[in-house]
Amino acid sequence: GAGVSQTPSNKVTEKGKYVELRCDPISGHTALYWYRQSLGQGPEFLIYFQGTGAADDSGLPNDRFFAVRPEGSVSTLKIQRTERGDSAVYLCASSPRLAFSYNEQFFGPGTRLTVL
Amino acid sequence: AQSVTQLGSHVSVSEGALVLLRCNYSSSVPPYLFWYVQYPNQGLQLLLKYTTGATLVKGINGFEAEFKKSETSFHLTKPSAHMSDAAEYFCAVSLAGNQFYFGTGTSLTVIP
Repeated sequence: GAGVSQTPSNKVTEKGKYVELRCDPISGHTALYWYRQSLGQGPEFLIYFQGTGAADDSGLPNDRFFAVRPEGSVSTLKIQRTERGDSAVYLCASSPRLAFSYNEQFFGPGTRLTVL
Repeated sequence: AQSVTQLGSHVSVSEGALVLLRCNYSSSVPPYLFWYVQYPNQGLQLLLKYTTGATLVKGINGFEAEFKKSETSFHLTKPSAHMSDAAEYFCAVSLAGNQFYFGTGTSLTVIP
């Protein structure tokens, strides 16, 4: 079946611009996660949704970052006033059940964001 | 606080040789432990996981890992490396809070 998909695969923007990154989870997966992976680093947790609500957004670095999942399926990560330090690969993952930590997370291929 | 340390950001082995990738964690409570592999331009793929029960865990592609509580380790091994094993490997720990904490990764090179 279809896996997690993310669009766009690459995004180049200028400093100060607004960007939206989209994640389509595996159908029926109730939990959705966003991570950020900087060059040479492991993925860093940003936010996780259980259904439509953000169950934990403690990883969002500041108020320029915001994510939504209005219908409990597709999620959009929004970054305002982008900075060069936001350049990274943004990963989305989904999980099949109400989120218990031992459930496997299925990752998408990521969106590579470059802020010039 | 939870953290994961992967010793060796780059590991090179000859084809057919033993693969050993090290992972140590720190956690205030028994964690769930995972190894993920990332091939170039692809998403993370689960290799194996430890949740409860048997401490020796077998995964895909001939990999296995052993949870050693006394050493707070979860090292990944494979008896015989194959060229197709060349990739980035990430160890991760998770508690009941659903956050995954990843290590910084180990890049495995397989020399023919």
